[in-house]
Amino acid sequence: KNEVEQSPQNLTAQEGEFITINCSYSVGISALHWLQQHPGGGIVSLFMLSSGKKKHGRLIATINIQEKHSSLHITASHPRDSAVYICAVSPNTGNQFYFGTGTSLTVIP
Amino acid sequence: DTGVSQDPRHKITKRGQNVTFRCDPISEHNRLYWYRQTLGQGPEFLTYFQNEAQLEKSRLLSDRFSAERPKGSFSTLEIQRTEQGDSAMYLCASSFTYGEQFFGPGTRLTVL
Repeated sequence: KNEVEQSPQNLTAQEGEFITINCSYSVGISALHWLQQHPGGGIVSLFMLSSGKKKHGRLIATINIQEKHSSLHITASHPRDSAVYICAVSPNTGNQFYFGTGTSLTVIP
Repeated sequence: DTGVSQDPRHKITKRGQNVTFRCDPISEHNRLYWYRQTLGQGPEFLTYFQNEAQLEKSRLLSDRFSAERPKGSFSTLEIQRTEQGDSAMYLCASSFTYGEQFFGPGTRLTVL
């Protein structure tokens, strides 16, 4: 049983398209994180949020605590956005992260 | 300080050998985490430290795995008697307490 589920697993988009990646979780959380992982393994934290919405450039992250759901949106997608996007949650109990399996995004020029 | 660093970046070893990885966190961070990631999967939590104290260990961390953070700064992760199933990317991250985690580049282990 995965505490964090992401969809879709794979996503291919044309440059310029609006992209949405979804994350659902089953535990009570103190925060939800969206991470970006490029080929080669390096992980970059994009957002940490516990309510509402955050925006950074073309990236927008939203969370609905009652529904235990979060979305990551990319506006005007670009080939350099191609990466694996991982959702992770910090549960209320304990300090370990629970990670989703990631969404592999490919943006075609 | 430019971020979290890990050494080595790649390690190839034969089954049964011991390996040790090092993580240097962002210097002001008091928390340090170790994760393992296999191909096509998200990272899995292994253990974390608050300063020099190891506060939580995953059941994934068998007796062959040991981690230390002796002075509350850098940390080492040792795997004894490596097995082929240990082949993975080992990721380190650091943070302030309850803060955003910053990840290192990872150490890719291949056990032949």
